[in-house]
Amino acid sequence: SQQGEEDPQALSIQEGENATMNCSYKTSINNLQWYRQNSGRGLVHLILIRSNEREKHSGRLRVTLDTSKKSSSLLITASRAADTASYFCATALISYKLSFGAGTTVTVRA
Amino acid sequence: SQTIHQWPATLVQPVGSPLSLECTVEGTSNPNLYWYRQAAGRGLQLLFYSVGIGQISSEVPQNLSASRPQDRQFILSSKKLLLSDSGFYLCARQEINTGELFFGEGSRLTVL
Repeated sequence: SQQGEEDPQALSIQEGENATMNCSYKTSINNLQWYRQNSGRGLVHLILIRSNEREKHSGRLRVTLDTSKKSSSLLITASRAADTASYFCATALISYKLSFGAGTTVTVRA
Repeated sequence: SQTIHQWPATLVQPVGSPLSLECTVEGTSNPNLYWYRQAAGRGLQLLFYSVGIGQISSEVPQNLSASRPQDRQFILSSKKLLLSDSGFYLCARQEINTGELFFGEGSRLTVL
């Protein structure tokens, strides 16, 4: 069964705008990771946040984690056409088993 | 660099035919390896993972099997394909220190 669930399922924004997507999960976790998937390609790791961290940045990405609410958010600032992709959160209780959500499909319009 | 090769990239097979998808990993020893399946527009379903040669753990009972004959080789097989086996199959290697997954480019299987 899927541990993480992303919301919204789809998001369409104008280039330059920010995109925010959320991930909710059900059980305690060791860490939470975000991945990007371009159409027809493999997934690419974006960022990992540990359960004892609350916020993490990587370039134009900002991830927050609220373990009390069992939720995380991914913010992409100043979006570009190249950010068009599906974004997945993945949670790990036991480090060798990652459980993925169904993803948020982001479309950035030029 | 650590690269993951998957082949074939695309496969169209009739129902009842056998399947063999291969994944090889370069540049690392004794990696944790994973097979995931992604149905169209869906998330990833963990099928198998392996922490070493000959060690396979199955997550979902089905007509697929996996083998790890060599340290850097992970094979997904089926004796008789079903229509429901169609999907995008992704092999991944796990970074031990962080738990991050590094994925191959996938094998797209269509069962007709």
